[in-house]
Amino acid sequence: DTAVSQTPKYLVTQMGNDKSIKCEQNLGHDTMYWYKQDSKKFLKIMFSYNNKELIINETVPNRFSPKSPDKAHLNLHINSLELGDSAVYFCASSQEWEQFFGPGTRLTVL
Amino acid sequence: GQSLEQPSEVTAVEGAIVQINCTYQTSGFYGLSWYQQHDGGAPTFLSYNALDGLEETGRFSSFLSRSDSYGYLLLQELQMKDSASYFCAVPIYNQGGKLIFGQGTELSVKP
Repeated sequence: DTAVSQTPKYLVTQMGNDKSIKCEQNLGHDTMYWYKQDSKKFLKIMFSYNNKELIINETVPNRFSPKSPDKAHLNLHINSLELGDSAVYFCASSQEWEQFFGPGTRLTVL
Repeated sequence: GQSLEQPSEVTAVEGAIVQINCTYQTSGFYGLSWYQQHDGGAPTFLSYNALDGLEETGRFSSFLSRSDSYGYLLLQELQMKDSASYFCAVPIYNQGGKLIFGQGTELSVKP
């Protein structure tokens, strides 16, 4: 009965590789997000989708490409990974003012 | 632009009361949210204030003053499990409902 789930929970990879993170929500929400949390715990919005349509792209490098096959899923693909991409990535969904976050994916780029 | 300021860390003892302040500068203000995040965990929603005043939910209360662009989270009868990071956040509805977060306040509860 998980509300927002993400896979994988941990991702360790080499610079230059391409990786994907998957997110699913079973709350029936229309809006989904990707956030990045850096080592200082600062949480920053990356993308927002409403009913499969991209609403927000917060000046994220083109190497990051979100995809929403349906309103319950929002995936994040990252090309040519760099050291600075190491962070925890959170998926979230919302209806009105409360956002529900997934457990996070800790990405480590070596 | 949008910015939120909150203290970086607060320490208190079990059973005490602690207040975490947040001041904000935003264009188009709808309300102030608070989220709790334990180490290694996900942010979880605590409260949302759209109107001025105090909202109480159990041991936690949240206050908003729109005229002062200020809010706070009040935690009473502190327990060890309250040790976590607390984030104030502002939803931006004309931009897809995204949240702008403060930098977080790390609360340490000591025995």
